[in-house]
Amino acid sequence: TQLLEQSPQFLSIQEGENLTVYCNSSSVFSSLQWYRQEPGEGPVLLVTVVTGGEVKKLKRLTFQFGDARKDSSLHITAAQPGDTGLYLCAGPQYNTDKLIFGTGTRLQVFP
Amino acid sequence: EPEVTQTPSHQVTQMGQEVILRCVPISNHLYFYWYRQILGQKVEFLVSFYNNEISEKSEIFDDQFSVERPDGSNFTLKIRSTKLEDSAMYFCASSRRTVDVASPLHFGNGTRLTVT
Repeated sequence: TQLLEQSPQFLSIQEGENLTVYCNSSSVFSSLQWYRQEPGEGPVLLVTVVTGGEVKKLKRLTFQFGDARKDSSLHITAAQPGDTGLYLCAGPQYNTDKLIFGTGTRLQVFP
Repeated sequence: EPEVTQTPSHQVTQMGQEVILRCVPISNHLYFYWYRQILGQKVEFLVSFYNNEISEKSEIFDDQFSVERPDGSNFTLKIRSTKLEDSAMYFCASSRRTVDVASPLHFGNGTRLTVT
């Protein structure tokens, strides 16, 4: 079974700080997706990365897919309280319709 | 923008009772899913549904669980005889294509099931 481990599990920072969240696996994934989930809501897609080494930017968020397609990172520049939430990476289990979710990183940004 | 809608938002039931969780996926999507998230734990896959049949299911999805798409718009999850450990947020999701081709999932806001 393919597993996705995220680190750190929890992160509390002040507004304006930078942070990086990691998503790691021992397995190769054809693609990885990043979602953000707020309390009482379902996960919302932020980005999909497909090519090894790919970097995608979404305003202050930078996503990178590892060269070997086994890991990914999410870097947030100058975090804001609105970035608070649960960040989830997810990838398709090989040759199935099943999306596997990572363990999640809960981010709290204080004003 | 079209969205996945789930009802009810919160369901409280007694152990041993049957519950039906309802979802209306996005209309032009072809793949439908149920996931659950026990409080404080990760999002877990339950089942995927394509072309009017189950395409994948997890070990969690035992004989107590069933899914149906009765009328071409609704997608339901039935738990026949609920157990305390079924208490969780249940998320419905849909996608245009299979996740294997990087097609994103669109999630509903979930049904919080509490079994007492």
